[in-house]
Amino acid sequence: GAVVSQHPSRVICKSGTSVKIECRSLDFQATTMFWYRQFPKQSLMLMATSNEGSKATYEQGVEKDKFLINHASLTLSTLTVTSAHPEDSSFYICSASETGPPRPQHFGDGTRLSIL
Amino acid sequence: GQNIDQPTEMTATEGAIVQINCTYQTSGFNGLFWYQQHAGEAPTFLSYNVLDGLEEKGRFSSFLSRSKGYSYLLLKELQMKDSASYLCAVLDSNYQLIWGAGTKLIIKP
Repeated sequence: GAVVSQHPSRVICKSGTSVKIECRSLDFQATTMFWYRQFPKQSLMLMATSNEGSKATYEQGVEKDKFLINHASLTLSTLTVTSAHPEDSSFYICSASETGPPRPQHFGDGTRLSIL
Repeated sequence: GQNIDQPTEMTATEGAIVQINCTYQTSGFNGLFWYQQHAGEAPTFLSYNVLDGLEEKGRFSSFLSRSKGYSYLLLKELQMKDSASYLCAVLDSNYQLIWGAGTKLIIKP
């Protein structure tokens, strides 16, 4: 089946640090990748949608200068949380969608980000 | 607006059957997905329905009625490991996935 690899799985760092999270589709080409954030006991919240070779589309309320997304190839998208603060601590999950219907989203294992 | 409703929480007994309902109102429809999410983990894909009817996959089955804007996920022979949140999501006319808030399923021995 379709496999999405997300790295790192856990990050603990100081306030003000920038953190980069990678999302790779291992056995399929993903024209579209999605970045979600999930706080404890809450539902998934879509942050942005990225298409290969173009700028990401951010959801309302998500700061694009804070959360930099790059989708340089059909198998790799990165999310960089710039100058992270404690309120950015969350579970970040990427997903990738195959081309053509039905386009299920396949999720990476997530990155648990803790900012001290 | 777009809306997906599913119960917040359900409880069932090991070995029994449980049905998790999902109703939706979206701008267009290109399919409905069910995902399973264990606590602290990312969601995993369970099923996809785009035509009316029942799709069976082992112990899990998913049903869709497009005219009623309704789907359910049926879990048979429940096991303790089935304790998780079950997320309903609809692909709208723009191929954007609209997520429900999820149903937390608690399995008791």
